[in-house]
Amino acid sequence: GDSVTQMEGPVTLSEEAFLTINCTYTATGYPSLFWYVQYPGEGLQLLLKATKADDKGSNKGFEATYRKETTSFHLEKGSVQVSDSAVYFCALRLTGNQFYFGTGTSLTVIP
Amino acid sequence: NAGVTQTPKFRILKIGQSMTLQCTQDMNHNYMYWYRQDPGMGLKLIYYSVGAGITDKGEVPNGYNVSRSTTEDFPLRLELAAPSQTSVYFCASSYQAYNEQFFGPGTRLTVL
Repeated sequence: GDSVTQMEGPVTLSEEAFLTINCTYTATGYPSLFWYVQYPGEGLQLLLKATKADDKGSNKGFEATYRKETTSFHLEKGSVQVSDSAVYFCALRLTGNQFYFGTGTSLTVIP
Repeated sequence: NAGVTQTPKFRILKIGQSMTLQCTQDMNHNYMYWYRQDPGMGLKLIYYSVGAGITDKGEVPNGYNVSRSTTEDFPLRLELAAPSQTSVYFCASSYQAYNEQFFGPGTRLTVL
């Protein structure tokens, strides 16, 4: 079935380090792909999205490229900050109403 | 705009009790969703609605009921609470199915 697999956390990085969180997907059609972020005590917020192959989503210094050939949508940031500490969720949506979320990757950035 | 609001923030139930989790959105969104988030797991869709008067089951609907009498409100009902329903519940809304979903802050429910 359709699903999303994320790298397991938790991830701990020093400030200004490079971040990669891996996400791969399985889908029967042509999904849209998303990264959501959940700050402590809050609901999920959309971070970025890509709706077709080779699209690059970007926001707040984060980037992810929709790679159809590797069925991946890895999240990257060149220099993380303490304020980026959160849980990051990869998600996909096919035509229809249902989103499929990954299990989430907890990121802690230390000064 | 307040966005998506949920009440209560926290609740402890005894096995067999019932309760309603409230969700309201003020963005005039057509679509509304209920998810549960178990520790270390992703979100699982419980129920969704594509408009007032229309609801449908998601991935994990057993033990829950919903109604959508207005565009703004989408309450989730637990009739006979069980320990397996201990989770964090998130309500979300979107204008259309392909639009971004906006999430509420969540309700943390414990069933003892």
